[in-house]
Amino acid sequence: EADIYQTPRYLVIGTGKKITLECSQTMGHDKMYWYQQDPGMELHLIHYSYGVNSTEKGDLSSESTVSRIRTEHFPLTLESARPSHTSQYLCASSESRQSYNSPLHFGNGTRLTVT
Amino acid sequence: AQSVTQPDIHIPVSDGASLELRCNYSYGATPYLFWYVQSPGQGLQLLLKYFSGDTLVQGIKGFEAEFKRSQSSFTLRKPSVHWSDAAEYFCAVGDSYGGATNKLIFGTGTLLAVQP
Repeated sequence: EADIYQTPRYLVIGTGKKITLECSQTMGHDKMYWYQQDPGMELHLIHYSYGVNSTEKGDLSSESTVSRIRTEHFPLTLESARPSHTSQYLCASSESRQSYNSPLHFGNGTRLTVT
Repeated sequence: AQSVTQPDIHIPVSDGASLELRCNYSYGATPYLFWYVQSPGQGLQLLLKYFSGDTLVQGIKGFEAEFKRSQSSFTLRKPSVHWSDAAEYFCAVGDSYGGATNKLIFGTGTLLAVQP
């Protein structure tokens, strides 16, 4: 029933490889987010977007980059993966009206392991 | 700075027993509060939210939460848990002055284990 899709679900990759985590939503939401989640830790916002051609860094510094060329698509890229990037990455979206109280809709996440 | 504290890392309850999960927040203005649930291998699903008005809010799956401003708390409850409720529960606070960002601050989560 999810309207926000993340691929791949699991990714194991070697150090130094370039990777792109995909996120797409079919709800027409303007706002999209990337959170990083580690076991026993809170979710940390690493990137967000108000809309097309708008991207901002979140509260947690990340070496990843994002792009927003289309409303429905918000991919995250790591140019050179390192073991410290091993984590779960969650994509989310929300409506633009009354931004502070619109709930976030989450994808199922991508669990990334860098060896 | 805003913060959210979930003091219980892990809570075991028996199937059919009542549930109470604690959440405390630190925020200077009117908080916007949320409870999310995450089943294994899944993303987060919104259970309920509080913005204003009645301090007891109802959510999905039989959950409810009580907001107490004097205690800076937002407690999640369920009268009778089911084995399918076993999951991790996250409390979050939204910034009422967040403007366009709608950033949420999450707690570290409480893992609910349901015992037969």
